[in-house]
Amino acid sequence: EPEVTQTPSHQVTQMGQEVILRCVPISNHLYFYWYRQILGQKVEFLVSFYNNEISEKSEIFDDQFSVERPDGSNFTLKIRSTKLEDSAMYFCASSLGTGANSPLHFGNGTRLTVT
Amino acid sequence: SQQGEEDPQALSIQEGENATMNCSYKTSINNLQWYRQNSGRGLVHLILIRSNEREKHSGRLRVTLDTSKKSSSLLITASRAADTASYFCATDLLSPQGGSEKLVFGKGTKLTVNP
Repeated sequence: EPEVTQTPSHQVTQMGQEVILRCVPISNHLYFYWYRQILGQKVEFLVSFYNNEISEKSEIFDDQFSVERPDGSNFTLKIRSTKLEDSAMYFCASSLGTGANSPLHFGNGTRLTVT
Repeated sequence: SQQGEEDPQALSIQEGENATMNCSYKTSINNLQWYRQNSGRGLVHLILIRSNEREKHSGRLRVTLDTSKKSSSLLITASRAADTASYFCATDLLSPQGGSEKLVFGKGTKLTVNP
C-alpha cells in the first residue's frame, strides 16, 4: 500500500538555524499538509497546499515557515530560524480530496529537537 | 480555536471489554473522522462519518454522530492489547470561502488495553 514517507526521522538543530523537513506524499494525491504535535499534546494544523500554492495556514505558520513542492514528488517544510518552542513532532500528510472529505494519510513524522 | 475535544483523556480496560471514546465539537461540520496513533508513529485513518449519517461500522469499530449535540462516539468492541493507542477525532472547519480545507484534531484519548 502506498505510504507517505518523511525524512529525517529525527533532526537536532541549534536555535536560530534553518531546518528543512522533507516528505514524499502518495503519488496520486492532490492535497498536502503539515501538522505538528508537541509531546503529549494535540495535533496542530500548520498548512495545507494544493495546486502548487498554500490554500490555508494557521496562526502558527508565520513568516519563519515556508513550504515548497520543488519537483512534483517532494513536499518540504522549511523553518528559517528555529526557536526552542519549535521542538515537536512534525507530520506530513496527503489526501486525494480536501481534508474534510477524504482520509488523510500521514507519514511517521520527523522529531525536531531545537537546543 | 479548538474544535474537537475527546473524552476521556485516558482510558484503561481489560482485553475483551468494550472501549468508548467521545468527541465534542463546537461549530457545524461536514464530516467527522477518527484516527488512531500508536506511540511515536503517524496517525492512521479509521473511519469518516458524514454529517447526514448517524452511525457507521467498520469491523470492530462503531462510530455515532449526533449533530444536534455536536458530539460523536467511537466504540471498539472486544478490545485487544493491540488496540492500545491514542485515538483522535478530527473535524473540518469551513473556510471563509465556504469550502472545507483542513482537519482540526483534538487532544486525543489514550487507550490502554491490558492483556
